[in-house]
Amino acid sequence: EAQVTQNPRYLITVTGKKLTVTCSQNMNHEYMSWYRQDPGLGLRQIYYSMNVEVTDKGDVPEGYKVSRKEKRNFPLILESPSPNQTSLYFCASSFTGRNQPQHFGDGTRLSIL
Amino acid sequence: DAKTTQPPSMDCAEGRAANLPCNHSTISGNEYVYWYRQIHSQGPQYIIHGLKNNETNEMASLIITEDRKSSTLILPHATLRDTAVYYCIVRREGAQKLVFGQGTRLTINP
Repeated sequence: EAQVTQNPRYLITVTGKKLTVTCSQNMNHEYMSWYRQDPGLGLRQIYYSMNVEVTDKGDVPEGYKVSRKEKRNFPLILESPSPNQTSLYFCASSFTGRNQPQHFGDGTRLSIL
Repeated sequence: DAKTTQPPSMDCAEGRAANLPCNHSTISGNEYVYWYRQIHSQGPQYIIHGLKNNETNEMASLIITEDRKSSTLILPHATLRDTAVYYCIVRREGAQKLVFGQGTRLTINP
């Protein structure tokens, strides 16, 4: 089944403790992206990647890192999480051809205390 | 990318057609209209997209006005499972980024 898989789905952690949210897709998509969703602010793009070893900042990249060493994986790294990174996170992927729809994961709910 | 305007909420009776409007009066010639929906806090789900012709797939129909300044997403026979937030997004051809607004919260009532 074609899907975007995020792990973990839920995480409660403390300020400053490094964490990684994994994202994996099995559709051979070139493009992958991370969004965060907050009440009243909607979905905002954090980082994106057009292909392996090609990443770029989205609208709200501060406090996050990403890597794209393999086509299928696009982990989101919080080196020193802070409470303002408490949010619902979504990973998405798509082909880079014309007008390709994006497929989203089921989300990761992070709480930073 | 052009800005879109949607009503914040709508109600529809189960079994009836749900018609969700979207205004995109500043749309450019190479920008497409996309619709996604988000059920509760799940990941957004692609529904349909179009440029200027009406489009239909197994989920919905998309009607775009001749001047392309507005569009309507039609769910022909709404069910309770169609209760969700529906996002109308305008995206330039070839662009990857999706810019989500606040969407329309559609509630299907029994």
